[in-house]
Amino acid sequence: GQQLNQSPQSMFIQEGEDVSMNCTSSSIFNTWLWYKQDPGEGPVLLIALYKAGELTSNGRLTAQFGITRKDSFLNISASIPSDVGIYFCAGLNYGGSQGNLIFGKGTKLSVKP
Amino acid sequence: NAGVTQTPKFQVLKTGQSMTLQCAQDMNHNSMYWYRQDPGMGLRLIYYSASEGTTDKGEVPNGYNVSRLNKREFSLRLESAAPSQTSVYFCASNSRAVYGYTFGSGTRLTVV
Repeated sequence: GQQLNQSPQSMFIQEGEDVSMNCTSSSIFNTWLWYKQDPGEGPVLLIALYKAGELTSNGRLTAQFGITRKDSFLNISASIPSDVGIYFCAGLNYGGSQGNLIFGKGTKLSVKP
Repeated sequence: NAGVTQTPKFQVLKTGQSMTLQCAQDMNHNSMYWYRQDPGMGLRLIYYSASEGTTDKGEVPNGYNVSRLNKREFSLRLESAAPSQTSVYFCASNSRAVYGYTFGSGTRLTVV
């Protein structure tokens, strides 16, 4: 089946540093989504991308839909302690999985004050 | 604006016991989903319901059953709990997948 490879698995950074994470796939996706899961909570949608090459920002977060449609990137600038959590990418291919999202395994972010 | 509500939040079961996890959404969404989350494994789809009256297996359906009671409610049942079912369970819903899923806050289940 379709799989998303999300990297890195975990990151330990200092407050104020920038963060980059990415998702890649062997399959083409029509939609890329990025979620954040705070400790003890469910994932919450951060950014949605619908067009190859699209670059979208949400505050300090910026995500890009790769031009090959097989990858996506999420950047966080000037990290703060509340950025701690697990970040998931998710892809949607209308032709597969009956329209269900495919999730990456997540990037766990730890921020040292 | 409750969104997706899951009950209970925490549960401890003995091996062999049964229980039902409840999920309700108030957003008039057609599709609902049950996921389990284990360390390093991400979110794995157990069952989903594309619309009221339909259910389908996901990636890891063994040991579980579901019921789409009406448009609002989608329950997950463990008939005979096993320690391998210790996990955090999330319910989600959506109107259209392109808009993403709305998740509940999870049920933390421990089977001893």
